[in-house]
Amino acid sequence: GNSVTQMEGPVTLSEEAFLTINCTYTATGYPSLFWYVQYPGEGLQLLLKATKADDKGSNKGFEATYRKETTSFHLEKGSVQVSDSAVYFCAFSNTGFQKLVFGTGTRLLVSP
Amino acid sequence: DVKVTQSSRYLVKRTGEKVFLECVQDMDHENMFWYRQDPGLGLRLIYFSYDVKMKEKGDIPEGYSVSREKKERFSLILESASTNQTSMYLCASSSTSNKRERLGETQYFGPGTRLLVL
Repeated sequence: GNSVTQMEGPVTLSEEAFLTINCTYTATGYPSLFWYVQYPGEGLQLLLKATKADDKGSNKGFEATYRKETTSFHLEKGSVQVSDSAVYFCAFSNTGFQKLVFGTGTRLLVSP
Repeated sequence: DVKVTQSSRYLVKRTGEKVFLECVQDMDHENMFWYRQDPGLGLRLIYFSYDVKMKEKGDIPEGYSVSREKKERFSLILESASTNQTSMYLCASSSTSNKRERLGETQYFGPGTRLLVL
Protein backbone atom coordinates (compact mmCIF):
# COMPACT_ATOMS: atom_id res chain seq x y z
CA GLY A 1 0.00 0.00 0.00
CA ASN A 2 0.88 3.66 -0.09
CA SER A 3 3.36 4.75 2.54
CA VAL A 4 6.18 7.16 3.35
CA THR A 5 9.24 6.23 5.38
CA GLN A 6 11.40 8.95 6.85
CA MET A 7 14.20 8.83 9.32
CA GLU A 8 13.34 8.92 12.97
CA GLY A 9 14.46 11.85 15.00
CA PRO A 10 15.36 13.85 16.69
CA VAL A 11 18.16 15.00 14.46
CA THR A 12 20.46 17.20 16.51
CA LEU A 13 22.89 19.51 14.72
CA SER A 14 25.04 22.51 15.45
CA GLU A 15 24.41 25.73 13.60
CA GLU A 16 25.96 25.78 10.09
CA ALA A 17 26.07 21.98 9.86
CA PHE A 18 24.88 20.09 6.78
CA LEU A 19 21.43 18.54 6.98
CA THR A 20 20.03 15.47 5.29
CA ILE A 21 16.64 13.98 6.17
CA ASN A 22 15.93 10.82 4.23
CA CYS A 23 12.53 10.06 2.74
CA THR A 24 11.42 7.12 0.63
CA TYR A 25 7.94 6.37 -0.60
CA THR A 26 5.83 3.49 -1.85
CA ALA A 27 3.15 4.65 -4.24
CA THR A 28 1.41 3.64 -7.43
CA GLY A 29 1.37 5.86 -10.46
CA TYR A 30 3.25 9.13 -10.64
CA PRO A 31 2.95 10.94 -7.35
CA SER A 32 3.74 14.53 -6.54
CA LEU A 33 6.16 14.83 -3.62
CA PHE A 34 6.22 17.37 -0.82
CA TRP A 35 8.11 18.47 2.25
CA TYR A 36 6.05 20.27 4.87
CA VAL A 37 7.48 21.92 7.99
CA GLN A 38 5.83 22.48 11.36
CA TYR A 39 7.36 25.13 13.61
CA PRO A 40 6.61 24.94 17.34
CA GLY A 41 3.00 25.75 18.14
CA GLU A 42 1.98 26.11 14.51
CA GLY A 43 0.27 24.18 11.76
CA LEU A 44 2.11 22.72 8.79
CA GLN A 45 3.32 24.82 5.92
CA LEU A 46 4.69 23.80 2.56
CA LEU A 47 8.47 23.92 2.37
CA LEU A 48 8.98 22.62 -1.16
CA LYS A 49 7.55 20.24 -3.72
CA ALA A 50 8.31 18.40 -6.96
CA THR A 51 5.72 17.09 -9.35
CA LYS A 52 7.69 14.91 -11.75
CA ALA A 53 10.80 12.76 -11.87
CA ASP A 54 14.16 14.57 -11.66
CA ASP A 55 12.52 17.83 -10.61
CA LYS A 56 14.26 19.66 -7.79
CA GLY A 57 12.20 21.58 -5.28
CA SER A 58 13.91 24.34 -3.34
CA ASN A 59 13.04 27.00 -0.79
CA LYS A 60 14.83 28.85 2.04
CA GLY A 61 18.07 27.03 1.27
CA PHE A 62 16.43 23.59 1.44
CA GLU A 63 16.46 21.29 -1.58
CA ALA A 64 15.04 17.89 -2.52
CA THR A 65 15.21 15.99 -5.82
CA TYR A 66 12.48 13.63 -7.04
CA ARG A 67 14.30 10.33 -7.67
CA LYS A 68 11.88 7.91 -9.27
CA GLU A 69 14.44 5.12 -9.67
CA THR A 70 15.07 5.02 -5.93
CA THR A 71 11.60 6.29 -4.90
CA SER A 72 13.25 8.91 -2.74
CA PHE A 73 12.92 12.60 -1.97
CA HIS A 74 15.66 13.40 0.53
CA LEU A 75 15.72 16.85 2.11
CA GLU A 76 19.05 18.71 2.29
CA LYS A 77 20.36 22.04 3.47
CA GLY A 78 23.96 23.12 3.34
CA SER A 79 24.04 25.21 6.52
CA VAL A 80 21.27 25.00 9.09
CA GLN A 81 20.24 27.78 11.44
CA VAL A 82 18.70 27.69 14.90
CA SER A 83 15.50 28.98 13.31
CA ASP A 84 15.26 25.77 11.24
CA SER A 85 14.41 23.81 14.39
CA ALA A 86 11.05 22.25 13.58
CA VAL A 87 9.37 18.99 12.58
CA TYR A 88 9.71 18.06 8.91
CA PHE A 89 7.15 15.88 7.13
CA CYS A 90 7.63 14.12 3.81
CA ALA A 91 4.41 13.46 1.88
CA PHE A 92 3.04 12.50 -1.51
CA SER A 93 -0.18 12.72 -3.46
CA ASN A 94 -1.08 10.20 -6.16
CA THR A 95 -4.86 10.22 -6.24
CA GLY A 96 -7.58 12.66 -7.08
CA PHE A 97 -8.60 15.42 -4.70
CA GLN A 98 -4.96 15.84 -3.65
CA LYS A 99 -5.11 13.44 -0.74
CA LEU A 100 -1.74 13.46 0.98
CA VAL A 101 0.05 10.49 2.53
CA PHE A 102 2.45 11.67 5.24
CA GLY A 103 5.50 10.22 6.89
CA THR A 104 5.77 10.23 10.66
CA GLY A 105 7.84 13.40 10.78
CA THR A 106 11.44 14.11 11.76
CA ARG A 107 12.22 16.59 14.51
CA LEU A 108 15.27 18.78 13.85
CA LEU A 109 17.00 20.52 16.73
CA VAL A 110 19.71 23.05 15.87
CA SER A 111 21.87 24.43 18.64
CA PRO A 112 23.93 27.65 18.50
CA ASP B 1 -2.14 35.08 1.82
CA VAL B 2 -4.27 32.05 2.38
CA LYS B 3 -5.66 31.88 5.85
CA VAL B 4 -7.10 28.80 7.49
CA THR B 5 -8.50 29.34 10.95
CA GLN B 6 -9.67 26.84 13.52
CA SER B 7 -12.18 27.73 16.20
CA SER B 8 -10.10 26.73 19.21
CA ARG B 9 -6.44 26.14 19.94
CA TYR B 10 -7.15 24.02 23.02
CA LEU B 11 -10.23 22.08 24.09
CA VAL B 12 -10.95 19.90 27.10
CA LYS B 13 -14.00 17.65 26.92
CA ARG B 14 -15.44 14.76 28.86
CA THR B 15 -16.00 11.25 27.58
CA GLY B 16 -19.35 10.97 25.82
CA GLU B 17 -19.66 14.65 24.97
CA LYS B 18 -20.44 15.77 21.44
CA VAL B 19 -17.57 17.89 20.15
CA PHE B 20 -17.54 20.31 17.22
CA LEU B 21 -14.30 21.49 15.63
CA GLU B 22 -14.72 24.31 13.14
CA CYS B 23 -12.45 25.29 10.27
CA VAL B 24 -12.77 28.31 7.98
CA GLN B 25 -10.69 29.22 4.94
CA ASP B 26 -10.77 32.53 3.12
CA MET B 27 -9.39 31.62 -0.30
CA ASP B 28 -12.44 30.07 -1.96
CA HIS B 29 -10.75 26.65 -2.01
CA GLU B 30 -12.76 23.70 -3.24
CA ASN B 31 -11.03 21.04 -1.14
CA MET B 32 -10.92 20.84 2.63
CA PHE B 33 -9.39 18.19 4.87
CA TRP B 34 -9.35 17.07 8.50
CA TYR B 35 -6.29 15.27 9.88
CA ARG B 36 -5.27 14.11 13.29
CA GLN B 37 -1.64 14.25 14.35
CA ASP B 38 -0.24 11.84 16.90
CA PRO B 39 3.38 11.30 17.99
CA GLY B 40 5.06 8.57 15.98
CA LEU B 41 2.13 8.32 13.57
CA GLY B 42 2.41 11.55 11.63
CA LEU B 43 -0.75 12.95 10.10
CA ARG B 44 -3.67 10.70 9.24
CA LEU B 45 -6.60 11.78 7.10
CA ILE B 46 -10.00 11.56 8.79
CA TYR B 47 -12.34 13.07 6.18
CA PHE B 48 -12.14 15.39 3.24
CA SER B 49 -14.53 17.36 1.09
CA TYR B 50 -14.16 18.46 -2.51
CA ASP B 51 -17.31 20.55 -2.71
CA VAL B 52 -20.15 21.91 -0.66
CA LYS B 53 -22.22 19.11 0.88
CA MET B 54 -19.77 16.51 -0.44
CA LYS B 55 -17.65 14.39 1.88
CA GLU B 56 -15.36 11.42 1.54
CA LYS B 57 -13.90 9.14 4.19
CA GLY B 58 -10.21 9.24 4.75
CA ASP B 59 -8.10 6.58 6.40
CA ILE B 60 -9.52 6.78 9.93
CA PRO B 61 -13.15 8.00 9.81
CA GLU B 62 -14.49 5.84 12.62
CA GLY B 63 -15.97 7.87 15.45
CA TYR B 64 -16.06 11.07 13.39
CA SER B 65 -18.44 12.83 11.03
CA VAL B 66 -18.16 16.06 9.05
CA SER B 67 -20.32 18.81 7.67
CA ARG B 68 -19.76 21.22 4.81
CA GLU B 69 -22.76 23.46 4.34
CA LYS B 70 -20.76 26.41 3.00
CA LYS B 71 -17.69 26.41 0.81
CA GLU B 72 -15.51 28.20 3.33
CA ARG B 73 -16.41 26.11 6.37
CA PHE B 74 -15.69 22.47 7.21
CA SER B 75 -16.71 21.05 10.56
CA LEU B 76 -15.46 17.92 12.27
CA ILE B 77 -17.85 16.29 14.72
CA LEU B 78 -17.05 13.77 17.41
CA GLU B 79 -20.47 12.28 18.13
CA SER B 80 -19.44 10.80 21.48
CA ALA B 81 -15.90 11.73 22.46
CA SER B 82 -13.63 9.01 23.78
CA THR B 83 -10.21 9.18 25.40
CA ASN B 84 -8.55 7.66 22.33
CA GLN B 85 -9.63 10.75 20.39
CA THR B 86 -7.29 12.90 22.45
CA SER B 87 -5.06 14.35 19.74
CA MET B 88 -4.04 17.37 17.70
CA TYR B 89 -6.55 18.06 14.92
CA LEU B 90 -5.43 19.91 11.82
CA CYS B 91 -7.61 21.36 9.11
CA ALA B 92 -6.31 22.10 5.61
CA SER B 93 -7.61 23.43 2.32
CA SER B 94 -6.48 23.40 -1.30
CA SER B 95 -7.58 24.55 -4.71
CA THR B 96 -8.28 22.51 -7.81
CA SER B 97 -8.02 25.52 -10.09
CA ASN B 98 -4.72 24.44 -11.66
CA LYS B 99 -5.67 21.34 -13.61
CA ARG B 100 -2.09 20.76 -14.82
CA GLU B 101 -0.94 20.37 -11.24
CA ARG B 102 -3.91 18.36 -10.10
CA LEU B 103 -1.73 16.31 -7.78
CA GLY B 104 0.73 19.05 -6.94
CA GLU B 105 -1.53 21.60 -5.31
CA THR B 106 -0.38 22.93 -1.98
CA GLN B 107 -2.46 22.24 1.08
CA TYR B 108 -2.74 25.16 3.51
CA PHE B 109 -3.04 24.24 7.16
CA GLY B 110 -4.66 25.87 10.15
CA PRO B 111 -2.80 26.17 13.48
CA GLY B 112 -4.43 23.07 14.93
CA THR B 113 -6.73 22.27 17.84
CA ARG B 114 -5.32 20.27 20.68
CA LEU B 115 -8.17 18.21 22.12
CA LEU B 116 -8.01 16.47 25.46
CA VAL B 117 -10.81 14.03 26.29
CA LEU B 118 -11.02 13.14 29.96
